[in-house]
Amino acid sequence: AQTVTQSQPEMSVQEAETVTLSCTYDTSESDYYLFWYKQPPSRQMILVIRQEAYKQQNATENRFSVNFQKAAKSFSLKISDSQLGDAAMYFCAYNSNFGNEKLTFGTGTRLTIIP
Amino acid sequence: DAGVIQSPRHEVTEMGQEVTLRCKPISGHNSLFWYRQTMMRGLELLIYFNNNVPIDDSGMPEDRFSAKMPNASFSTLKIQPSEPRDSAVYFCASTQTGEDTQYFGPGTRLTVL
Repeated sequence: AQTVTQSQPEMSVQEAETVTLSCTYDTSESDYYLFWYKQPPSRQMILVIRQEAYKQQNATENRFSVNFQKAAKSFSLKISDSQLGDAAMYFCAYNSNFGNEKLTFGTGTRLTIIP
Repeated sequence: DAGVIQSPRHEVTEMGQEVTLRCKPISGHNSLFWYRQTMMRGLELLIYFNNNVPIDDSGMPEDRFSAKMPNASFSTLKIQPSEPRDSAVYFCASTQTGEDTQYFGPGTRLTVL
């Protein structure tokens, strides 16, 4: 069974600075998908960024980028120019077969933005 | 396009009562997932459907929980009888074959007193 580990329960960053959230996973599969979801206080789960394991190029979405290290089974999220609206819980998630299997989530990292 | 719709957004009930949570997936999506979020267990899958057929219900806690998907645009999750330990946020998510991303509804916060 796949597992996802987020070792940082809480992180904080000064507004406009850069922060990196860590995620590691365990799988025996070669093809899979990784995601970062954001959950603000409204509790809505919002997709931040996604990565296909067979692509070596790291995904980027505006201020959000990932560092995907397949051999190390690591998938970290970097947020540049942090904004107050980035404050939320961030969940790393794994899916083995497009979207048609269950997502396996990490325990989350609570990100606080310091004005 | 409308996203995944869930109702109610909040539900407060007393132990022993029946609770029904509802979900309308995004139009055209053929896979639907029910997740539960608690402080103790985090986010976990309860059940998912593909083309209205239950595929994996191994996450359903016990016989008190049941889920149906009578058609492509509607699903229910029922708890009968409800217990305080069922208090959680219940999410519905949907996707379509060939797409790798699941889209979540706003969730239902259930409180069982």
